Amino acid sequence: GAVVSQHPSWVICKSGTSVKIECRSLDFQATTMFWYRQFPKQSLMLMATSNEGSKATYEQGVEKDKFLINHASLTLSTLTVTSAHPEDSSFYICSASGQGARGLTDTQYFGPGTRLTVL
Amino acid sequence: SQQGEEDPQALSIQEGENATMNCSYKTSINNLQWYRQNSGRGLVHLILIRSNEREKHSGRLRVTLDTSKKSSSLLITASRAADTASYFCATGETSGSRLTFGEGTQLTVNP
Repeated sequence: GAVVSQHPSWVICKSGTSVKIECRSLDFQATTMFWYRQFPKQSLMLMATSNEGSKATYEQGVEKDKFLINHASLTLSTLTVTSAHPEDSSFYICSASGQGARGLTDTQYFGPGTRLTVL
Repeated sequence: SQQGEEDPQALSIQEGENATMNCSYKTSINNLQWYRQNSGRGLVHLILIRSNEREKHSGRLRVTLDTSKKSSSLLITASRAADTASYFCATGETSGSRLTFGEGTQLTVNP
């Protein structure tokens, strides 16, 4: 149980285009989803926290108009990178936490990540 | 900002040996979690230990937590080549809150 999927697993786009990444909790209701960014050989940097039905809370330094987050249901959150530029190229990972069959709330379950390359 | 610091940054051992990774943090926590990440993949949750716990086991994994020293350690016994990965600690200040990740330890287990 507690499986999180991400789609797409990788994407290459031209500079100036927008890219949408989906994060789904497959077998539990994710009351909270988190979006991270990871550069090569570095740790995860939290970008934002989103609760179902409310606006996301962005970390300091993360542009909310550039990284649009929507958490419309208890199983789906999306991250849209708007007007992407080469410096946005990175590995984007989502995680989800919430009530499941075992009532877990503190553990975050991670998706497999999305590799974004902006040309 | 990352509050967790892990050491060593990199660890290379032979199959069968034990691997110990340490994590220190700065603020009070509700829980501390360890995750594993294989190259280019998502994170896999290994174990969660709460602030009122001192030690936890899961298979070949043993995690200790010393809240007075604000530190935790992850011990992997009888390591295997498949254990090669990056290991991250992450702290939650309150139940259900965001996690703050450490810098990670890159473990290489040589066959």
